[in-house]
Amino acid sequence: EIVVTQSPDTLSLSPGERATLSCRASQSVTSTYLAWYQQKPGQAPRLLIYGASSRATGIPDRFSGSGSGTDFTLTINRLESEDFAMYYCQQYGGSPPKYTFGQGTKLEIK
Amino acid sequence: QVQLVQSGAEVKKPGASVKVSCKASGYTFSNYNMHWLRQAPGQGLEWMGIINLGGGDTRYAQEFQGTVTMTRDTSTSIVYMELSSLRSEDTAVYYCARECLKCYYFDYWGQGTLVTVSS
Repeated sequence: EIVVTQSPDTLSLSPGERATLSCRASQSVTSTYLAWYQQKPGQAPRLLIYGASSRATGIPDRFSGSGSGTDFTLTINRLESEDFAMYYCQQYGGSPPKYTFGQGTKLEIK
Repeated sequence: QVQLVQSGAEVKKPGASVKVSCKASGYTFSNYNMHWLRQAPGQGLEWMGIINLGGGDTRYAQEFQGTVTMTRDTSTSIVYMELSSLRSEDTAVYYCARECLKCYYFDYWGQGTLVTVSS
């Protein structure tokens, strides 16, 4: 199983700042199979980024994804109040192939 | 617009089974896959398995082999997930989530169904 580890666990920033969230896989992941989600309390996750760097429909261009192999990054520029939430990265792969998620990064207001 | 509407919260006793539904609308049902995932209280997301809504083929995560069954009814556009031999550790919010074929991500999610297992 491919283990996905996100860092940091909690990120404290102020509105207007830039957030950089990291996602590391225990084995190389095909970029096509890497996605990022945002989840707010009491809500279902929302797709932000797929294919490591493609924004989902309706996602502002403040959100961007990058990376390859085992290291991927979600960057959120000019943080707005609505961005403070939990973020998960997700990969598909391994043997047998399955979907696994990181433990999440909580982005909180400083 | 695409909507996935799940059935309501359930309370079950250990050893029982639960069947959660997910009604899809706003798109061509059979052209997609549906996945089921769960999230235990305060925890992360866990993938349970996939059903192809066209042919009905399923594949389950090893952890759920033998306890989960996913089915679909193309006449009503409803997908079902049944989990048997429930234990307290199965207490979680269960989500259905749509995937376009060979996309490997989940673009629409149901609102979630809380299943509580307690004696």
